[in-house]
Amino acid sequence: GQQLNQSPQSMFIQEGEDVSMNCTSSSIFNTWLWYKQDPGEGPVLLIALYKAGELTSNGRLTAQFGITRKDSFLNISASIPSDVGIYFCAGEANTGNQFYFGTGTSLTVIP
Amino acid sequence: KAGVTQTPRYLIKTRGQQVTLSCSPISGHRSVSWYQQTPGQGLQFLFEYFSETQRNKGNFPGRFSGRQFSNSRSEMNVSTLELGDSALYLCASSLTGAGANVLTFGAGSRLTVL
Repeated sequence: GQQLNQSPQSMFIQEGEDVSMNCTSSSIFNTWLWYKQDPGEGPVLLIALYKAGELTSNGRLTAQFGITRKDSFLNISASIPSDVGIYFCAGEANTGNQFYFGTGTSLTVIP
Repeated sequence: KAGVTQTPRYLIKTRGQQVTLSCSPISGHRSVSWYQQTPGQGLQFLFEYFSETQRNKGNFPGRFSGRQFSNSRSEMNVSTLELGDSALYLCASSLTGAGANVLTFGAGSRLTVL
């Protein structure tokens, strides 16, 4: 199946710092999604991207759909303790109907 | 609008048993996907159903099966359970599963196989 490389695998940052994580794919994707998962819960959608080059914000979160359609990044500005969790990228391939997920970035925010 | 509902939330089984998990999608969503999440493997795609038909299937053995009913509710079944089947099983629904869609996940069913 498709491989999504998500990095970094984990991050430990001080409260107030900015965070950046990214995903790269070996194939072209039509859609990029970013999710956050808290322990014991399902992933919750943060941002959806549908066009190459698209830059979308959701509060302190900003994500971009790479122009090659093979990558995406997520930035979190001025991190706060509730940002703690695992962040996943997901991409929908040309064939549609199936999303592939990155391996996740575990974020720890130190107050 | 109610979200995606998965039942049961937690269950414990022993090797060799079988298990059935249920997923009720968001009202109006016709596509249901299932994922297995383990610490080492992340989210692995199991299968996707639309209008009672399986459209996509991941690389899992035949012990993993699913179905979708006319009301879009879905079930997945795992037979002859193995220790390695212990995982969080996530269900996600979307409007049609194609195009500008997003997946909305349920809270998951945590399966422990002893």
